[in-house]
Amino acid sequence: AQTVTQSQPEMSVQEAETVTLSCTYDTSESDYYLFWYKQPPSRQMILVIRQEAYKQQNATENRFSVNFQKAAKSFSLKISDSQLGDAAMYFCGILYNFNKFYFGSGTKLNVKP
Amino acid sequence: DTAVSQTPKYLVTQMGNDKSIKCEQNLGHDTMYWYKQDSKKFLKIMFSYNNKELIINETVPNRFSPKSPDKAHLNLHINSLELGDSAVYFCASSPLAGALGNEQFFGPGTRLTVL
Repeated sequence: AQTVTQSQPEMSVQEAETVTLSCTYDTSESDYYLFWYKQPPSRQMILVIRQEAYKQQNATENRFSVNFQKAAKSFSLKISDSQLGDAAMYFCGILYNFNKFYFGSGTKLNVKP
Repeated sequence: DTAVSQTPKYLVTQMGNDKSIKCEQNLGHDTMYWYKQDSKKFLKIMFSYNNKELIINETVPNRFSPKSPDKAHLNLHINSLELGDSAVYFCASSPLAGALGNEQFFGPGTRLTVL
């Protein structure tokens, strides 16, 4: 079974500060991709960042970066210089076998002005 | 231009009724999905279709039946609605089923409320 675990149901960060959201996963597959999606109050799901499992280098997208620890099956998301617009639900997900896509239970991020 | 659209956005209905949610994507993608997001925000895949063929059918009651008339559409029919079916249903699409790592493009979601 493939599982994705987000152990932090809710987190808060001060504007301009840095926050890290945790994600661990369990898979027996060797080829897979990991994702972080953002869901603001509008409900729209937006891709934040993507990591190929075969790449050792951590993916970065502007203020968003990941800490990918393949042996530990850990995939945390770091948001630097947090902005009010970052407030949302964040979902960690895994894609394998081309079409199997599973999400964690989500972490609600609050950004305080 | 809307990439992945769903209709309706809100659906309120009585228990026992049969309802459908439509999904269309204009991105030319090969693969389409249906997800259910419950009240606790947990997002779970229900179905995946590639070029009109069912690929993934997770443990979902057979009251739920996807229908893909063509590659651009994946509709979700729900028979004999139950209270527990209340949730937000998301349609999504992605290109090239054989290529790993493709981003999924999500529709705006359909909030279904069963009374």
